[in-house]
Amino acid sequence: AIRMTQSPSSFSASIGDRVTITCRASQGISSYLAWYQQKPGKAPKLLIYAASTLQSGVPSRFSGSGSGTDFTLTISYLQSEDFATYYCQQYYSYPRTFGQGTKVEIK
Amino acid sequence: QVQLVESGGGVVQPGRSLRLSCAASGFTFSTYGMHWVRQAPGKGLEWVAVIWFDGSSKYYADSVKGRFTISRDNSKNTLYLQMNNLRAEDTAVYYCARDQDGDRLDYWGQGTLVTVSS
Repeated sequence: AIRMTQSPSSFSASIGDRVTITCRASQGISSYLAWYQQKPGKAPKLLIYAASTLQSGVPSRFSGSGSGTDFTLTISYLQSEDFATYYCQQYYSYPRTFGQGTKVEIK
Repeated sequence: QVQLVESGGGVVQPGRSLRLSCAASGFTFSTYGMHWVRQAPGKGLEWVAVIWFDGSSKYYADSVKGRFTISRDNSKNTLYLQMNNLRAEDTAVYYCARDQDGDRLDYWGQGTLVTVSS
């Protein structure tokens, strides 16, 4: 199975900050990567797919980049509603695998 | 609008069985692949299983292979997860999710909690 490793596992940030989360695959996955946001007690929400394509309705402050093994999710201007846990997931092969998550907390 | 509603969760003893359901509405269920994803309390997301739109292919996580079976009834717009020989480590919220274009999971249900405990 492809292992997905996110960094950092958690961090604190302030409203208005630019934040970047990294996801690394244990083998090349081309651009077959999605990012999800999850808030406590809620289902995950799709943010980005194909590594850099914004899902309909997702604010443009979210962006993704990367291909192969290294990927990033960037929030250009952190808003209060962005404090959540973020997961990457590869869909290059089965079993599909998620990263362990990155929790973004309020500083 | 797309809706996915899971049901069937509850408390079950180790070694017993449980069947989860996911009722779909607001889209043509029979044309989409469907997944189950779970989340243990306080932990991250774990992909569980997928079934093709027509039920022709299924894949499972190693952790559930041989114990769980994913199925669907397109006439009832319903996805299922039959879970046998349950273990404490299967305790989690189970989500069903729609597969868009064979890649991303674009809609998720609200989840149903399964607790395996004696």
